[in-house]
Amino acid sequence: DGGITQSPKYLFRKEGQNVTLSCEQNLNHDAMYWYRQDPGQGLRLIYYSQIVNDFQKGDIAEGYSVSREKKESFPLTVTSAQKNPTAFYLCASSIGLDTDTQYFGPGTRLTVL
Amino acid sequence: GNSVTQMEGPVTLSEEAFLTINCTYTATGYPSLFWYVQYPGEGLQLLLKATKADDKGSNKGFEATYRKETTSFHLEKGSVQVSDSAVYFCALSYTGYSTLTFGKGTMLLVSP
Repeated sequence: DGGITQSPKYLFRKEGQNVTLSCEQNLNHDAMYWYRQDPGQGLRLIYYSQIVNDFQKGDIAEGYSVSREKKESFPLTVTSAQKNPTAFYLCASSIGLDTDTQYFGPGTRLTVL
Repeated sequence: GNSVTQMEGPVTLSEEAFLTINCTYTATGYPSLFWYVQYPGEGLQLLLKATKADDKGSNKGFEATYRKETTSFHLEKGSVQVSDSAVYFCALSYTGYSTLTFGKGTMLLVSP
């Protein structure tokens, strides 16, 4: 089955530690995205990538980093510079720049203790 | 900038009641409009979409019509079920620039 996988579903880290969230897709989509979801806040865009080896900052990129070395993979690192990292993180993908429908993974809930 | 405004939740209904969740947007030009649904603890699923004015998106008994004149995309369902309990997000994007702008979400709770 084609789809987007995110792992792990729940992640706990100590304050001050960097942590990397995984996102893999086998839909052959060019574009991938990371969103952060907080209660009552909707979704906010962190980073997006339209093609391999290229990515752009979204609305709330500070304290986060990404890489796009393979088409299928778009890992997100939450660094110690992110002041309030506890949230639900959602990865998405779309066919490319010229399409508008995004498909979402199941999400990773990160809790920083 | 672009923005999407949804009605505050939670919306609480009895099974078989009629549902309306209001969504209005502020944007230039002609964005595409979407409704996504999120079940507890899960990611978002695309529910329906409309890409131009007067288009009606529909899926699983839900409908929404793209109203350019009122900049709205209200979600409706004639008879809700307990299994429809979820958070519903309205969103917009532009073809050629596919990042989504989301509303804050509206929680729907349906009781038997």
